[in-house]
Amino acid sequence: AQSVAQPEDQVNVAEGNPLTVKCTYSVSGNPYLFWYVQYPNRGLQFLLKYITGDNLVKGSYGFEAEFNKSQTSFHLKKPSALVSDSALYFCAVRDAPGGDMRFGAGTRLTVKP
Amino acid sequence: DAGVTQSPTHLIKTRGQQVTLRCSPKSGHDTVSWYQQALGQGPQFIFQYYEEEERQRGNFPDRFSGHQYPNYSSELNVNALLLGDSALYLCATGHRQENTEAFFGQGTRLTVV
Repeated sequence: AQSVAQPEDQVNVAEGNPLTVKCTYSVSGNPYLFWYVQYPNRGLQFLLKYITGDNLVKGSYGFEAEFNKSQTSFHLKKPSALVSDSALYFCAVRDAPGGDMRFGAGTRLTVKP
Repeated sequence: DAGVTQSPTHLIKTRGQQVTLRCSPKSGHDTVSWYQQALGQGPQFIFQYYEEEERQRGNFPDRFSGHQYPNYSSELNVNALLLGDSALYLCATGHRQENTEAFFGQGTRLTVV
């Protein structure tokens, strides 16, 4: 079965600095990878996905992620963090189109002014 | 176009009771997946419905059951509620045959007392 690990419970950055939220995955076949963001007491909002093609994918709100097959990683990045980026971030993986997604435990991002 | 809608938004039940949660998918979506998100944790996959049948199931007991109707809406039923069932229950919808992102509802906050 597929799985995801987010090694950091918490990431703190200063506003204007670059941010990285880490994710590694395990899947038997081709990985289909996703990043979601969650604000308090809300559902998950889609940020970006990797299905195939370029290893660097761009998504909503200036976020991007780099797929690295050899390191089985899919780290989320943003060149310049905003205070409003503070939220809970989840990485997810599926191993088949339309199949179930498996999520990591989440990383809480705090951006300080 | 309405997104994924879940009802109710909040619910308080007594241990041992039964509960039914409802989900209406985004227009055009044919699969419904249910997730349990305990406080401070990532979403845990319960099961997925497609064509009115349960297609995949996570590691949840038989107390958790579901249904999908011809209009693709879905219900999650939990019997013999335990205190540990208290969580945010999320519904995610998508296309079975396509590798697109899943869309999430706002969730139902279930509290078992």
